[in-house]
Amino acid sequence: GAGVSQTPSNKVTEKGKYVELRCDPISGHTALYWYRQSLGQGPEFLIYFQGTGAADDSGLPNDRFFAVRPEGSVSTLKIQRTERGDSAVYLCASSVGGGTGELFFGEGSRLTVL
Amino acid sequence: GENVEQHPSTLSVQEGDSAVIKCTYSDSASNYFPWYKQELGKRPQLIIDIRSNVGEKKDQRIAVTLNKTAKHFSLHITETQPEDSAVYFCAASINSGYALNFGKGTSLLVTP
Repeated sequence: GAGVSQTPSNKVTEKGKYVELRCDPISGHTALYWYRQSLGQGPEFLIYFQGTGAADDSGLPNDRFFAVRPEGSVSTLKIQRTERGDSAVYLCASSVGGGTGELFFGEGSRLTVL
Repeated sequence: GENVEQHPSTLSVQEGDSAVIKCTYSDSASNYFPWYKQELGKRPQLIIDIRSNVGEKKDQRIAVTLNKTAKHFSLHITETQPEDSAVYFCAASINSGYALNFGKGTSLLVTP
């Protein structure tokens, strides 16, 4: 596709459930990022992949959060034992390669934990 | 991560006036400072960026200035138009790496 694609666009779940959010980056982009954005706030960094490996996961809030990118393209953010405080828009972004430069964001996955 | 402070949180200007948004950062290792525009319900999009070896950059009606000594940078929009209305986020690279710390955003409203 032409841009970063994220699914689902909306996810409502109950506290304690497991959730997976998927990101399909722009073809050829080797760098992939996950951010989350709460209402009225700026995006908050979670994790950065360069190829298949997580180059920086310092933003993951705790061990309930995990992300993979097994083939260096599509990435999945996994949240275990969801809590109400996990409710946010989860944004995925990709960029051409390593180093600083323009991030191309997806439309986001809105997660609501009841 | 280190904080990025952004002011003001809301800004209302008349069409044709200038708008200025200011940000400060605390991580002296930050070397990349982008600005993103996010329209309501849409994804953030890069509008301009500046690196630490440059003091000012301009792109048509948009300019960004950087003062590394004072650790602050600013976005200037001249001749504002209603379509400039959006939330603007400043950001600074974390530890000179590739992840970004974002400010809380400035909601800009340009009234005709």
